[in-house]
Order: sequence, then structure tokens, then C-alpha cells
Amino acid sequence: SYELTQTLSVSVALGQTARITCEGDNIGSENVHWYQQKSGQAPVLVIYRDNNRPSGIPERFSGSNSGNTATLTISRAQAGDEADYYCQVWDTTTHAVFGGGTKLTVV
Amino acid sequence: EVQLVESGGGSIQSGGSLRLACAASGFTFSGYEMNWVRQAPGKGLEWVSYINSNGGTIYYADSVKGRLTISRDNAKNSLYLQMSNLRAEDTAVYYCARGDDYGSGSLDLWGQGILVTVSS
Repeated sequence: SYELTQTLSVSVALGQTARITCEGDNIGSENVHWYQQKSGQAPVLVIYRDNNRPSGIPERFSGSNSGNTATLTISRAQAGDEADYYCQVWDTTTHAVFGGGTKLTVV
Repeated sequence: EVQLVESGGGSIQSGGSLRLACAASGFTFSGYEMNWVRQAPGKGLEWVSYINSNGGTIYYADSVKGRLTISRDNAKNSLYLQMSNLRAEDTAVYYCARGDDYGSGSLDLWGQGILVTVSS
């Protein structure tokens, strides 16, 4: 089965750039999606198909995907960006696979 | 307003059954693939099940195969999850989530979630 590995936690200073990674075997050949989940709320899609933003998601959110690592980048981090972030791919055998999640703290 | 609203959750004893429902509004429900995703307390997201737009293709996570059944009624704009032989490890918030327009596997609309608690 396909597995995705995320760092448990990332800390970023207010106004700086946060990078959250998602590792998987040859993940660069997959479509990677990213979700933001704030405390007590449902997940929200913030990046789809590696680097596309849904309507309403700020341009500060961007994504990249190559080799064995996909990355979610949050520029000019704000206090409101504090959340858990999950990567996800659709695999033909295990279907939807989520990473374990990364807790982003803005200090 | 485009939204998904889950209902039917609650507390149940181990071995019992429960049926979750997800009501869709604000979009053409019959045109979309749908999924159930769950989140155990303090844990990450776990995909549970998928159904395509006409109900003809269904997938399940190995952890729920044979015990949970996904279905939909396009005439009622509703998605369902029939849960039987429930276990303590099924305790979680259950979300219904819509598949995107591109068939790329992203989940672009989520309900608010409904809590299912299974006691042993």
C-alpha cells in the first residue's frame, strides 16, 4: 500500500515562509492535494493537483511536487494559518491516502 | 449555499449498527463522486469509502470492508453510510466529502462532520 510521510510539526515566525513536506515513493508522478484543518473544524482543500488553488484560497499558499517529495509553501505566515495540514493522493489500490498530518505553529 | 450536512451519529455499543446520512445542497449531487472520511479523536484523517456518481463503483478501506456499506440516492441528494458490527476503533468524527470535477481524487467540499462513539 502507498504511504505518505509528513513531519509532525513545523514552526514559523509571523510573516515568514513555512514549508510543509510530504514524502512518498515517486510522489512526483502523483497528483498531490493539501488540506488545512483548524482546531474543531472540518478540513478545507487549499491546494489540488500539486499546485492549484481553489477559489478563495490566498495566493500565499502554493505547492510543488517532484521526485519523492511534495511541498506546501505558505508565504507571509499569519496567525490564522495555524492548523493541521494533510497531504493526500489517490492511489489505484489503496484509493485515497492521507499523510499523518503536520501541525503548523506561528510564533 | 453549496454544502454537505451529516446526520445520524451518536453513541452505540460495540456490535451495534448505525446509519449516517449526508444531505447535499447547492450543487448537482448526481454529477459528483462522494466519499466518507473519518478522524479518530486526536488522530489524523482516514479515508473510509468511495462511491461514483451513479453508485456503480464502490471502494472501501480494508479496515471497514464487510462492516460498512456506502450508498447514495441521487433523487434525494443524499449519501449514506450503513455501519454494522461496530467496534471501539470505529469511534471517530465521520465526514462526507465531495470528489472534485477533474477526477484527480481531491476532496473539494466537506461536511461539518458527525461524531460516532462506540463503547465496549
